[in-house]
Amino acid sequence: EAEVAQSPRYKITEKSQAVAFWCDPISGHATLYWYRQILGQGPELLVQFQDESVVDDSQLPKDRFSAERLKGVDSTLKIQPAELGDSAMYLCASSYLAAANTGELFFGEGSRLTVL
Amino acid sequence: GENVEQHPSTLSVQEGDSAVIKCTYSDSASNYFPWYKQELGKRPQLIIDIRSNVGEKKDQRIAVTLNKTAKHFSLHITETQPEDSAVYFCAASDGANNLFFGTGTRLTVIP
Repeated sequence: EAEVAQSPRYKITEKSQAVAFWCDPISGHATLYWYRQILGQGPELLVQFQDESVVDDSQLPKDRFSAERLKGVDSTLKIQPAELGDSAMYLCASSYLAAANTGELFFGEGSRLTVL
Repeated sequence: GENVEQHPSTLSVQEGDSAVIKCTYSDSASNYFPWYKQELGKRPQLIIDIRSNVGEKKDQRIAVTLNKTAKHFSLHITETQPEDSAVYFCAASDGANNLFFGTGTRLTVIP
């Protein structure tokens, strides 16, 4: 069964350092999401791509976060510089259809970031 | 924007009993309500969803009900089993691009 792949699974970094997370969605899924899940809370959308275009990045802290999906397939989420409050699970999800209300989101296992 | 509240935050039931998790939403334009299950250390997975033109949906031991007037929806799990132990998230989508998640309910089924 096809799955969303993410790496690394775990990342420990010191504040002010740069970190990057990678996501490879299920083949054929045009829509890709990055969510942040703080411990004890539900996932919150950071950015949504449709193919290579950003559809929604209104909740992305653009002073330190950036995301790209250059060829409309895999995606990278970068944080620079990392802050203590960035410690969280970063989840990538993909879907075949364009909008979040049209069908299932398939999540990756996430990248857990700890900022010291 | 949409605000989804979920209760309770933790729930313990005896194996074989029923479990009910409730969510409310704020945006009357929301039209899609999925439930995701996240086992410890694993990815969230969709278990059931309901659209605003339907009041109830069942899938074996799992059911979801929706009350559009009151803006709340609930997950019902009957005949609970230890493998039902997980964190459950409700969500609501307003028909645009975003899916708003609740804060999660940690369900523990005691054998």
